[in-house]
Amino acid sequence: NAGVTQTPKFQVLKTGQSMTLQCAQDMNHEYMSWYRQDPGMGLRLIHYSVGAGITDQGEVPNGYNVSRSTTEDFPLRLLSAAPSQTSVYFCASSYSGQPNRANTGELFFGEGSRLTVL
Amino acid sequence: RKEVEQDPGPFNVPEGATVAFNCTYSNSASQSFFWYRQDCRKEPKLLMSVYSSGNEDGRFTAQLNRASQYISLLIRDSKLSDSATYLCVVIPYNFNKFYFGSGTKLNVKP
Repeated sequence: NAGVTQTPKFQVLKTGQSMTLQCAQDMNHEYMSWYRQDPGMGLRLIHYSVGAGITDQGEVPNGYNVSRSTTEDFPLRLLSAAPSQTSVYFCASSYSGQPNRANTGELFFGEGSRLTVL
Repeated sequence: RKEVEQDPGPFNVPEGATVAFNCTYSNSASQSFFWYRQDCRKEPKLLMSVYSSGNEDGRFTAQLNRASQYISLLIRDSKLSDSATYLCVVIPYNFNKFYFGSGTKLNVKP
């Protein structure tokens, strides 16, 4: 099983460039999300989606766009990269709703994308 | 105020020691609670869920105190392989977000 697949794993950008981090899951999860992780800051939620066509902002959405045209894919777009966006980005997915016997509430993560903005 | 707060550590303990981490959450309506483990430069992975009655999985025990709004993780007989960062996670009443603490780093030494 592929689980959650993120690409690219590493990327170096110059200030002002744009790029898209790709995320795909094959578990038919309704919920998908993007986090960034910086030293000492933990995981901070950027954007999330509870189903195709539905997205919402998390704690740190500025400078990022998302879309959810299919259940499987949830790309994260950096519109104009800034050095402050240097970070490790994680995509994660889960079933939606209250955890129960079928849904443990577990959040499945991709392996991460390390982005450096110069 | 952060949704979830943890002592960042690091906790440096010898093999065989018992160590406990606490995590506090701010929203009293929070519904579900978890502990995740993250190894260096890797993605977080679920360690265990935290149930109201408390639960145990081998050397690991998780407890929830709703009145004081904290969850705890106890690790007995620490192993070198337990060295990692432990993240507590809280899901609010509408189950549409996962709030992570900043993590507590554990170093188990020989």
